[in-house]
Amino acid sequence: AQSVTQPDIHITVSEGASLELRCNYSYGATPYLFWYVQSPGQGLQLLLKYFSGDTLVQGIKGFEAEFKRSQSSFNLRKPSVHWSDAAEYFCAVGAGDDKIIFGKGTRLHILP
Amino acid sequence: GAVVSQHPSWVICKSGTSVKIECRSLDFQATTMFWYRQFPKQSLMLMATSNEGSKATYEQGVEKDKFLINHASLTLSTLTVTSAHPEDSSFYICSATRQGVFKEQYFGPGTRLTVT
Repeated sequence: AQSVTQPDIHITVSEGASLELRCNYSYGATPYLFWYVQSPGQGLQLLLKYFSGDTLVQGIKGFEAEFKRSQSSFNLRKPSVHWSDAAEYFCAVGAGDDKIIFGKGTRLHILP
Repeated sequence: GAVVSQHPSWVICKSGTSVKIECRSLDFQATTMFWYRQFPKQSLMLMATSNEGSKATYEQGVEKDKFLINHASLTLSTLTVTSAHPEDSSFYICSATRQGVFKEQYFGPGTRLTVT
């Protein structure tokens, strides 16, 4: 069965520092992978997605993610975080029938 | 483009009453709509999948008689929580897929339900 693991429940980084959020997936075939961001009390916004092709994917707000099939990973990165990046980040894998399976999320805290 | 709205954004109801939440795709026709539930500081749990004109498909463990889903048109799906109880208090989020856009769901802003 498909699943997504985000090993870090909380991550704290200083403003201006680099960021990497980890995501591992389990899926039998070629995965369709997503990263979403959720601000408190809000819906989800798509940051980026990977379906095929170039394994380094660029997204909005300066985020990027790299698909590594050998490691079953799809880690999210940003070279320099801003205070406004504080939010909950969800990694997700596309399953059958257009369903999406979400990881449990990583809450990002930014130190001034 | 691809905007999904939800109404209301928050609602408080008394235990035993029913409450309806609307999900609309504002600028596209939604081939499929999904309803999720999110507990505080937790992930999204898929409740059901609905297609226009057909019965919703519920995930295992979700009570179909408790959470009634109607998908009357290509732009509107409703979730009715019947005989609500405090344990139904949660954040409900809908999403929609768009014809021709592969595998991507567009999410609404969510509805906060509090049952007193």
